[in-house]
Amino acid sequence: DADVTQTPRNRITKTGKRIMLECSQTKGHDRMYWYRQDPGLGLRLIYYSFDVKDINKGEISDGYSVSRQAQAKFSLSLESAIPNQTALYFCATSDPARAPHTDTQYFGPGTRLTVL
Amino acid sequence: EDQVTQSPEALRLQEGESSSLNCSYTVSGLRGLFWYRQDPGKGPEFLFTLYSAGEEKEKERLKATLTKKESFLHITAPKPEDSATYLCAFSQGGSEKLVFGKGTKLTVNP
Repeated sequence: DADVTQTPRNRITKTGKRIMLECSQTKGHDRMYWYRQDPGLGLRLIYYSFDVKDINKGEISDGYSVSRQAQAKFSLSLESAIPNQTALYFCATSDPARAPHTDTQYFGPGTRLTVL
Repeated sequence: EDQVTQSPEALRLQEGESSSLNCSYTVSGLRGLFWYRQDPGKGPEFLFTLYSAGEEKEKERLKATLTKKESFLHITAPKPEDSATYLCAFSQGGSEKLVFGKGTKLTVNP
């Protein structure tokens, strides 16, 4: 079984709809991240969480919200989806205690979101 | 501004033709330099972390090296299955976040 899973893997929705993307991990890592990837722009950080009570904005958090339901679960919501949120979305995890690779992040398989 | 630039954007090689990918970075207090491989439609797969200038890491046909201003990913005698986009990223002291480059798309023709 994959260590980091994302659901759904593909989603097509319409402008204005609320969407939730989910991420689960069995790695036992405390830190979780959400990124989006667009052609030509690379990976950009949306939100990150260092534990259940610690949520932080990344560089492009506008239009998104997150929820850390448990150590193993981190959800990303688009409250009112718009077409320019069409992208690949990735969840990642890291473990600060995993010396020496304390910053290394491990990625899920991604969700391809299309907003019409 | 802290940033990372990868070159070339795309590289085509014949099978067996060795080459290198470049990752130039500008950051104060580099903590780690990371290389990932990404196949189309999939999540980035961790390859290497480098922590100090002069460090080298190897895995099969790949070798990553680090200087004070750049990192190289050397590919020796590549095979078609090495075709992927290779991403470089860094972390800096005081922040556990990674900053990614835009990647180099490598195609190895048989």
